[in-house]
Amino acid sequence: EAGVAQSPRYKIIEKRQSVAFWCNPISGHATLYWYQQILGQGPKLLIQFQNNGVVDDSQLPKDRFSAERLKGVDSTLKIQPAKLEDSAVYLCASSLGAEETQYFGPGTRLLVL
Amino acid sequence: AQSVTQLDSHVSVSEGTPVLLRCNYSSSYSPSLFWYVQHPNKGLQLLLKYTSAATLVKGINGFEAEFKKSETSFHLTKPSAHMSDAAEYFCVVTPDNYGQNFVFGPGTRLSVLP
Repeated sequence: EAGVAQSPRYKIIEKRQSVAFWCNPISGHATLYWYQQILGQGPKLLIQFQNNGVVDDSQLPKDRFSAERLKGVDSTLKIQPAKLEDSAVYLCASSLGAEETQYFGPGTRLLVL
Repeated sequence: AQSVTQLDSHVSVSEGTPVLLRCNYSSSYSPSLFWYVQHPNKGLQLLLKYTSAATLVKGINGFEAEFKKSETSFHLTKPSAHMSDAAEYFCVVTPDNYGQNFVFGPGTRLSVLP
């Protein structure tokens, strides 16, 4: 079974630029999550989708971050404009449902200069 | 609100000796608890989970954890460390209304010395 796919694996941008990350969850998984993991810390949930609807985005900085999952499968996370403190690894995870085990992708490492 | 404390940011053991990674939690609900492992440049992998069944949970790679409600603890153990166990370990708590506020601890880095 293929795992959660993410791209790109690495991205370097300058502050105030825009960036987008892509996630392809495990086939059949209805729930998709985006996490931010700052160096030396545990992952922090940014947003959770159930199919193409948002379940929880309480910790998403909505002035600069946006995410969508239009067809209930793939998802994109965008940052516009980026700040230095956005440097982190962005993890995507998926699960069969909201009460099931989460499976994580390898992450996208973002460096904002 | 729930939170997770991992008491040691770094644990170092010799190969073949026991491993103990400590985790304490606070939760207003009956929690579900997980341990995840993160190897360098790899995704997070589920080691084991507790969901109000048996208090002693066995996971992959010889790891196990015991849920102790009276101590609000969920410590991870392994009888004999292997070099391949070197990684970052995260304790995770989620309340009974799973799917909301999946909270990670800060992580414990495990080093295994030859």
